[in-house]
Amino acid sequence: DAKTTQPDSMESTEGETVHLPCSHATISGNEYIYWYRQVPLQGPEYVTHGLQQNTTNSMAFLAIASDRKSSTLILPHVSLRDAAVYHCILRVNSGGSNYKLTFGKGTLLTVTP
Amino acid sequence: EAAVTQSPRNKVTVTGGNVTLSCRQTNSHNYMYWYRQDTGHGLRLIHYSYGAGNLQIGDVPDGYKATRTTQEDFFLLLELASPSQTSLYFCASSDEVQAPLFGEGTRLSVL
Repeated sequence: DAKTTQPDSMESTEGETVHLPCSHATISGNEYIYWYRQVPLQGPEYVTHGLQQNTTNSMAFLAIASDRKSSTLILPHVSLRDAAVYHCILRVNSGGSNYKLTFGKGTLLTVTP
Repeated sequence: EAAVTQSPRNKVTVTGGNVTLSCRQTNSHNYMYWYRQDTGHGLRLIHYSYGAGNLQIGDVPDGYKATRTTQEDFFLLLELASPSQTSLYFCASSDEVQAPLFGEGTRLSVL
């Protein structure tokens, strides 16, 4: 029932800049786009989020399309520790004051030396 | 420091057994969530809550009950555990502004 679509996997080499795409064609105007990453046997870790404008922090740059139907998480100069499953999720307003978080399968990013 | 603590971290039970998974957050967050994660499915929402006494049904609620006793504590109950409930369970908390924070997970095996 996920509202986002991501590739199952992507490969990269250390030092490269990686672009992780996410499609959210049915996004509503008040839904935020969140990105998390997860390594085996650990909980998801927050990476970044945005609504309309591109955002940047120490971990990544989030580029949001002008129509908000897609976004791209950009990881500059990846290292081996960036290997993880990256989840693109929408914060869905399920009615009233309740906000669901619905995940898809995410993108498995592998990084080779 | 913001934290979501799950207990136990590992649990083994038998079919038909009674299991309670606990989650405590010290972040003063209103929202709390229970997810299960299985290979090939990503994280699936079981139940969630907006405050003490509130309970909302998620996407895969069958076989699970939940109770939010206080703002800090959210419990997931499996009253007749089945092998299909063998999974990795995550709890999370959030408010209306900050990004949700996840716990470290509970690995449950139902034999």
